[in-house]
Amino acid sequence: GDSVTQMEGPVTLSEEAFLTINCTYTATGYPSLFWYVQYPGEGLQLLLKATKADDKGSNKGFEATYRKETTSFHLEKGSVQVSDSAVYFCALSDSFSYGQNFVFGPGTRLSVLP
Amino acid sequence: SQTIHQWPATLVQPVGSPLSLECTVEGTSNPNLYWYRQAAGRGLQLLFYSVGIGQISSEVPQNLSASRPQDRQFILSSKKLLLSDSGFYLCAWGTGLLTDTQYFGPGTRLTVL
Repeated sequence: GDSVTQMEGPVTLSEEAFLTINCTYTATGYPSLFWYVQYPGEGLQLLLKATKADDKGSNKGFEATYRKETTSFHLEKGSVQVSDSAVYFCALSDSFSYGQNFVFGPGTRLSVLP
Repeated sequence: SQTIHQWPATLVQPVGSPLSLECTVEGTSNPNLYWYRQAAGRGLQLLFYSVGIGQISSEVPQNLSASRPQDRQFILSSKKLLLSDSGFYLCAWGTGLLTDTQYFGPGTRLTVL
């Protein structure tokens, strides 16, 4: 079945450091790919998405490129801020018997220190 | 615009007591609805999904059940809570289109003592 693998962390960085969170996937079809962010005590918010190969999703300084050849969707940010501290989830959307099936990775906790 | 509500926000219940968590969606019709559980420090586990009124599918066998009495209402229930039912419960809705995101509610923190 479909699956998503991502580095579990925790990842601890200093403010203004470069961030990479790796995400790879396994899917039988042609999935759409997503990054979600979860702040403490809250639900998940969509950060960015890409729906086909070579698409780049971007939002709030975060970027991720859909790489079909390496089945990856790594999240990057050039300069992190303390406010970026959260848990980040990589996810894919694929077709299933009932329509859309979402599969989430385990999440990566990011802590940014001032 | 669409919004999704969950209540209560937090709940502390004794083992063996019943449970009812409610989720409602506004601003859309015929959504796909989902219940997830997130154990402490863990990822998301899909519990139930529904593509229409009265249509419920379960992903894992468990102590919980779900119902969809109205188009935009999704309820998670249990007759007798277990300690292992503690966690953060998230409701989500989606259009069902492969390229569309799922939209998550604020969650309910359940502690079973």
